[in-house]
Amino acid sequence: GENVEQHPSTLSVQEGDSAVIKCTYSDSASNYFPWYKQELGKRPQLIIDIRSNVGEKKDQRIAVTLNKTAKHFSLHITETQPEDSAVYFCAASSNSGNTGKLIFGQGTTLQVKP
Amino acid sequence: DGGITQSPKYLFRKEGQNVTLSCEQNLNHDAMYWYRQDPGQGLRLIYYSQIVNDFQKGDIAEGYSVSREKKESFPLTVTSAQKNPTAFYLCASSIPHWNTEAFFGQGTRLTVV
Repeated sequence: GENVEQHPSTLSVQEGDSAVIKCTYSDSASNYFPWYKQELGKRPQLIIDIRSNVGEKKDQRIAVTLNKTAKHFSLHITETQPEDSAVYFCAASSNSGNTGKLIFGQGTTLQVKP
Repeated sequence: DGGITQSPKYLFRKEGQNVTLSCEQNLNHDAMYWYRQDPGQGLRLIYYSQIVNDFQKGDIAEGYSVSREKKESFPLTVTSAQKNPTAFYLCASSIPHWNTEAFFGQGTRLTVV
């Protein structure tokens, strides 16, 4: 079945350093790849997304890259700040059947040390 | 104020009891979803519904049931058949045809006592 693998499960960086989280997906029909940030006890919120017709997308300190051939996509956070500390989830969705359902990775707990 | 609302925030259940988690949205979204969140396992799909009066099982539907009688509402019942129901439950909604953002409720933390 559809599967999304996410690595690493935990990541600790110094403030100002960069952080990279990687995901791979199994369904070649996947065409939408969002990233969500979840702070402790709160709901996941979308921080950036990318569609399969684009290889890279950037929004200030956050960027996402997509390699369709390798079925691999990554989140890059530059100049990390303590408020970036949270759990990050990648997800993949296919347009087939118009379900819109998202298959999530296992999550990465990012800790940014001041 | 538009959004998706889950209630209650905390729920305690005795073993053998059924409980129902509420999810309401006023975003006019066709699709709604229920996810279960456990530490280290990400979000796993329980059930989803693309349209009123229709729903499909997700990856971990056993021990759960849903209904979709209204576009705005998608309640989840955790039955006594669910062997390990203690978890954080998240409801979401989206416009499925365009593969757009899913909006999440604030979640319900269910604890079996």
